[in-house]
Amino acid sequence: SAVISQKPSRDICQRGTSLTIQCQVDSQVTMMFWYRQQPGQSLTLIATANQGSEATYESGFVIDKFPISRPNLTFSTLTVSNMSPEDSSIYLCSVVGNEKLFFGSGTQLSVL
Amino acid sequence: GNSVTQMEGPVTLSEEAFLTINCTYTATGYPSLFWYVQYPGEGLQLLLKATKADDKGSNKGFEATYRKETTSFHLEKGSVQVSDSAVYFCALRSSNTGKLIFGQGTTLQVKP
Repeated sequence: SAVISQKPSRDICQRGTSLTIQCQVDSQVTMMFWYRQQPGQSLTLIATANQGSEATYESGFVIDKFPISRPNLTFSTLTVSNMSPEDSSIYLCSVVGNEKLFFGSGTQLSVL
Repeated sequence: GNSVTQMEGPVTLSEEAFLTINCTYTATGYPSLFWYVQYPGEGLQLLLKATKADDKGSNKGFEATYRKETTSFHLEKGSVQVSDSAVYFCALRSSNTGKLIFGQGTTLQVKP
């Protein structure tokens, strides 16, 4: 199974600032995804992180707000830019490895 | 596009009652289907899965059968326990893109 290390696990940020979340996997994986879970809501897919090319964003999400990097097959970052209280959420990375899906432990973000 | 619809919650049951949480999906191709569980204060955990029509996934007394003819993947358990209280998410994974799409979640409350 893939072991995912996601950090930070939680943060409290000021409005207008940016936060970068890191996702490190202990093995090479073909696909990596970033999700958001707003309070009391289901998980919403933000984007697919593509190795060596720009991420593929879902409807309602844009690169300027959620820039994503994936420099190799084991690592990705998601930045939440110019934050507002509406961005308060849990952000999770997910990977596909050996036909199985794995989730990171999540980053709980609170924006004041 | 692909989507998942779950019955609305909360579902409130007495201990040892029979549980059904309905899930239907819309998808192109041949998706894999999943049930995830989120216990209070914890991250997502995979509960069970089915990868093709007529497959039955099972775990911890929970079962769900992949019904292609009715595009359903209903979750059942014969006798629930207080410890089963959680939020349950139905999800599908596209065979084309690998993306995992979640339903809105159903809260289960089991009372002693």
